[in-house]
Amino acid sequence: DAGVIQSPRHEVTEMGQEVTLRCKPISGHNSLFWYRQTMMRGLELLIYFNNNVPIDDSGMPEDRFSAKMPNASFSTLKIQPSEPRDSAVYFCASSTSAGITGELFFGEGSRLTVL
Amino acid sequence: KNEVEQSPQNLTAQEGEFITINCSYSVGISALHWLQQHPGGGIVSLFMLSSGKKKHGRLIATINIQEKHSSLHITASHPRDSAVYICAVHPSNTGNQFYFGTGTSLTVIP
Repeated sequence: DAGVIQSPRHEVTEMGQEVTLRCKPISGHNSLFWYRQTMMRGLELLIYFNNNVPIDDSGMPEDRFSAKMPNASFSTLKIQPSEPRDSAVYFCASSTSAGITGELFFGEGSRLTVL
Repeated sequence: KNEVEQSPQNLTAQEGEFITINCSYSVGISALHWLQQHPGGGIVSLFMLSSGKKKHGRLIATINIQEKHSSLHITASHPRDSAVYICAVHPSNTGNQFYFGTGTSLTVIP
């Protein structure tokens, strides 16, 4: 079975540009999470969807960040405009649990560099 | 203030040694996860615990809810166990947030 699929794996962009990261969760999983990992702050939960509905976006750093899940098989995380401090690895994970106490399955991550 | 503390931060072991990584947390939780991140960056969920003990191959995870402490043990360590091990907790009274430890970097030398 395919795992969680993220794209792009690497993105280098200039400050001010729009960045869109994509995630395809494992089929049948009804919870999806976006995380950010930096050297300074480690892993941070940005937003959590359950059955395509955003449940908790309190981790989203500011209005420049937005996430959508138009259907059960696709989610996007958008940064507009991007800034150098957004440089990080962004992970998507999915789970079968209706809550967030189920096992997490992570994608390979999208490494973003904003110059 | 960090709600999740891991120790040690870095650990070097000889192949075959028994390894223990500790995680202490300061909040009431409904679940605790142990994650493994390899040098390539991918993250794998090893265990999800809410009580007691779980075993998978050479890995054992325990949790003591009263003491707010969990340990990850690796028996007969192998160089392929070299990775960063991350403890994450789901607090029981803050909605759907996760708190992550900063990770323990393990290197197993042949």
